[in-house]
Amino acid sequence: AQKVTQAQTEISVVEKEDVTLDCVYETRDTTYYLFWYKQPPSGELVFLIRRNSFDEQNEISGRYSWNFQKSTSSFNFTITASQVVDSAVYFCALSEYTGNQFYFGTGTSLTVIP
Amino acid sequence: DTGVSQNPRHKITKRGQNVTFRCDPISEHNRLYWYRQTLGQGPEFLTYFQNEAQLEKSRLLSDRFSAERPKGSFSTLEIQRTEQGDSAMYLCASSLELGVNTEAFFGQGTRLTVV
Repeated sequence: AQKVTQAQTEISVVEKEDVTLDCVYETRDTTYYLFWYKQPPSGELVFLIRRNSFDEQNEISGRYSWNFQKSTSSFNFTITASQVVDSAVYFCALSEYTGNQFYFGTGTSLTVIP
Repeated sequence: DTGVSQNPRHKITKRGQNVTFRCDPISEHNRLYWYRQTLGQGPEFLTYFQNEAQLEKSRLLSDRFSAERPKGSFSTLEIQRTEQGDSAMYLCASSLELGVNTEAFFGQGTRLTVV
């Protein structure tokens, strides 16, 4: 069965601090995809990144970076120099390689304090 | 076409009434998904379409729920005889299936309140 765990329910940081959001997943599949989505107060889920299980290279996009470690089944997300606009709920998700659905974690609510 | 569009954004209904939501996906996307999200939880899968065919339904989708995607374009989700437990955000998403799963793009959701 597929499962995604985001143990951090809420995190508060002061602006310009770095913050890491944890994601641990479970799957029996050897090929799969991992995702991060951002959900601002408006409610729309905004796609941030997709990573396939064959690619363990870390990725950086501006202030965002992702660390994928297959050995620990983790796909963590770091925001560097956080800004107030980063305040949102962040979801980690998993899908099978040719899967029909996405399995979401319960989300981490991030508040960046000015 | 700027994204996935859902209507209405909000719906308040009395228990026992029927409601219908609409989703217009990104035009070239062949997959369409419905998810439900309750407060403090992540989205939970309800059903998905590949073109006009409904290929999978979650056990969460009781017989009071029905979804359609005529002609493989927009989709509707109907809930009959609504119950208070149906109160949630209903999210629609679409993706382009190219033999492998790609990222899904979500609409802003329809927030349903059953009173």
